[in-house]
Order: sequence, then C-alpha cells, then structure tokens
Amino acid sequence: AQTVTQSQPEMSVQEAETVTLSCTYDTSESDYYLFWYKQPPSRQMILVIRQEAYKQQNATENRFSVNFQKAAKSFSLKISDSQLGDAAMYFCAYRSPPNFGNEKLTFGTGTRLTIIP
Amino acid sequence: EPEVTQTPSHQVTQMGQEVILRCVPISNHLYFYWYRQILGQKVEFLVSFYNNEISEKSEIFDDQFSVERPDGSNFTLKIRSTKLEDSAMYFCATSDSYNEQFFGPGTRLTVL
Repeated sequence: AQTVTQSQPEMSVQEAETVTLSCTYDTSESDYYLFWYKQPPSRQMILVIRQEAYKQQNATENRFSVNFQKAAKSFSLKISDSQLGDAAMYFCAYRSPPNFGNEKLTFGTGTRLTIIP
Repeated sequence: EPEVTQTPSHQVTQMGQEVILRCVPISNHLYFYWYRQILGQKVEFLVSFYNNEISEKSEIFDDQFSVERPDGSNFTLKIRSTKLEDSAMYFCATSDSYNEQFFGPGTRLTVL
C-alpha cells in the first residue's frame, strides 16, 4: 500500500516570503499522480497543484510550484510571495495509475501553514 | 464554474441513529468517492463508486456504511447505526476520469 508522509506539522512564513512544504511517499508503482490540496478554516478541500509522475518537468501554478524528485520519492511545494490568504492546512496526496478511473487519493497528515503579517 | 454540493452542512444525531449524507456531483462526472476527516487528522478514503457499484472500499467502510445513487443525480452515504467515533467531516468527491477529483464542501457529522 502507498503511504504519504508530511514531516512538518506546522510551518510559518513572513508575508511576501517563500516557504517550502515537504512531502515524501512510498510506492512500488512507476506511474502515478501527486497532488497538493489546501484546506482553509472553512475545511473545503481545494486543489493547488498536481504532478504526473511520467513528466520530468515540475508543475507550476502561478505562485505555487513543486520540486518532484521521483527517485527520492519526494514532492515538495514551494509557495512564493506568500499572502495572508495562503494560511491553511496543506495536504499532499498520492493517486495510483489509471485503472477505470476509480483510484482513491491517499493523503498525508498535513502541514499547517501560518502567514505572519 | 460547476461544483460538487453536499447536504446538510452539519448533522447532529444521537448514537445508534441512521444518517444519510447527500452529494450532488458535477453533472458529467461518473466517478464518485467518499472521504472522512476526523477533526485534526488526515483525510481518509472510505469508498469509490462507478457504474452503480462500489469499485473499492477501505477497512473503515464496514457493514454500517452503504452508498447509492437513488435517482441518478444524488450520491448518498448512509450510516445505519452511528457511533461516537463516526463524528467527522465527510467529503464527497467526483471525477470525470482519472484526473482531478473535485471535492464538495463537506458535511460535519456530530454523534452525541
């Protein structure tokens, strides 16, 4: 079974600075998807960014980018120019390769990000 | 923008009572999921559903739980006899393929 580990329960960053959240995972599969979800106090789960394992290029979405190291099974999230609205719980998630489209997400334990004004 | 909706937003029930949580998927989505998040913990997979049958279920999804699409639009999660430990946030998620899963806003279930 796949496992996802987030070793930083809490992180804080000054507004406008850059922060990196860590995630490692364990799998024997060669093809898979990785995601970062944001959960603000409302508890809604919001997709931040995703990465397909077969793609060597790191995904980027505006101020959010990832550092995907497949051999190391590492998938970190970098948030540039941090804003107060980025304060939330961030979950790393793993999804198995396509198989009739019903693959579950396996989540890490989350990192609570605080933005310091 | 299409979104997944869930009702109710908050359900309070007595231990031993049955509850039904409802989800309205995005209209062209065919793959449905329920996840659970106990307060302060990670999100856990419960069950996936495709073509009117369960595709996969976790060890959490025991005989007390069931899912169905009663009218072709709603997707429901039923807990037959609630326990205190069922108190959690329940998220519905839907997908049109093996890409992104879209999450609903969740139902907070409180079992007293």
